[in-house]
Formats: sequence, C-alpha cells, structure tokens
Amino acid sequence: DGGITQSPKYLFRKEGQNVTLSCEQNLNHDAMYWYRQDPGQGLRLIYYSQIVNDFQKGDIAEGYSVSREKKESFPLTVTSAQKNPTAFYLCASSWGRGPTNEKLFFGSGTQLSVL
Amino acid sequence: QQQVKQSPQSLIVQKGGISIINCAYENTAFDYFPWYQQFPGKGPALLIAIRPDVSEKKEGRFTISFNKSAKQFSLHIMDSQPGDSATYFCAAAGGTSYGKLTFGQGTILTVHP
Repeated sequence: DGGITQSPKYLFRKEGQNVTLSCEQNLNHDAMYWYRQDPGQGLRLIYYSQIVNDFQKGDIAEGYSVSREKKESFPLTVTSAQKNPTAFYLCASSWGRGPTNEKLFFGSGTQLSVL
Repeated sequence: QQQVKQSPQSLIVQKGGISIINCAYENTAFDYFPWYQQFPGKGPALLIAIRPDVSEKKEGRFTISFNKSAKQFSLHIMDSQPGDSATYFCAAAGGTSYGKLTFGQGTILTVHP
C-alpha cells in the first residue's frame, strides 16, 4: 500500500526530554511537511522540505528540528525548548512540482503528551 | 496572524439537510483554496479544491462557492449524511509551494440520522 506512515501513534514526553516523531512515505513525493494540530486552532505548519537535504521553517518552528537525509523520511524532533508540546502532529507529502500537484497526503498522526 | 478565518466552529444538521461552512482570507496572493475532511484519529484528506478563475466547483454532493472580490469561499454539502460527520478545514495557498497551506480553525460537523 502506498502512503505515509507515522510512528508512534501515541508518545509521552518527560520534562526536559527530546523526542523524535517518525514519518516515512513511499509515494515518491519530493515535498514533505510537518503540521501541528491543536483543538480550535486548525493546522499550523512547523517545517517543510521540498527536496532532500533542504528544509525551511514554517510558522511555528521554535522548539522543533527536522532532517531530510532521504527522500522517504522526514523525522521531527520536539526539543526541550518547546514548552507546550502537547498536540496532534501530522506529517504530509506532495509531489511539490507546481500548482497542478499540490494535493497533500497526510499520515494518521502522532498524539504527543507531556508526563 | 490568522490569515484564514473559518465559521462556524461547530454545526449540527439533520440528515438530508444542507451544511454550509464559510471561510474568509486576507492574503490576496492566495490562489488555491482546498477543503480537507478529517475523521477522528485520522489525518485530513483532500475533499475538493478551487482556483479563483472560477466562482463555483461541484463534485457530487460537495460544492465550493468562491467570491474573489469579497475574499470569501464556502463549502456546501447537499443531502448531508451521518457519514459526513467529521471536521472540515478550509485552507489557502499561493506562491512557490502549494503544500504550504494556511488552514482555517476547522468546523466540527455532526449530521443526525
């Protein structure tokens, strides 16, 4: 099956701890994205990458870091600097080759909670 | 800065009724306006999208109406069904990265049998 796989489904973070959320896609998409979802606030863009070894900050990048070493993978690290990390995190991908290929494919998300 | 405002926050409709969700945007550079549907515990999925060169787009029971001068667009769900119960997000994008969407706050739709 082609798609986006996020893991784990649930994650708990202790005070001062860094945690990494996994995102893998087998759609051969160039572009990948991380969004954060909070109740009543919609989805907000954390980071995005349009090509391997390159990524850009989104609207709420503070306290997060990413890497894009492989086309298929775009892991997100929530660092201890992120003071309010409890949220539903969504990874997405798209062809990223212009307006005719703009459909986002989302994973099923990771719910991160603070212990 | 909230660039896409969505209303209502929640909506309850009877089966067979019409569901209407509205969005307004500020950035005139936006030229792509999708709607996403999300079921609990799942990621959103693209439902329908429109570009400003048309005022309306219809796909089955779902219709987007677009008013460029007012910078508003809306989703109409005709003959609403209990299976349509979900959270709906409008979004907007433009420029070089169309996956860099700005989302509205979301509308929780409940369709009663």
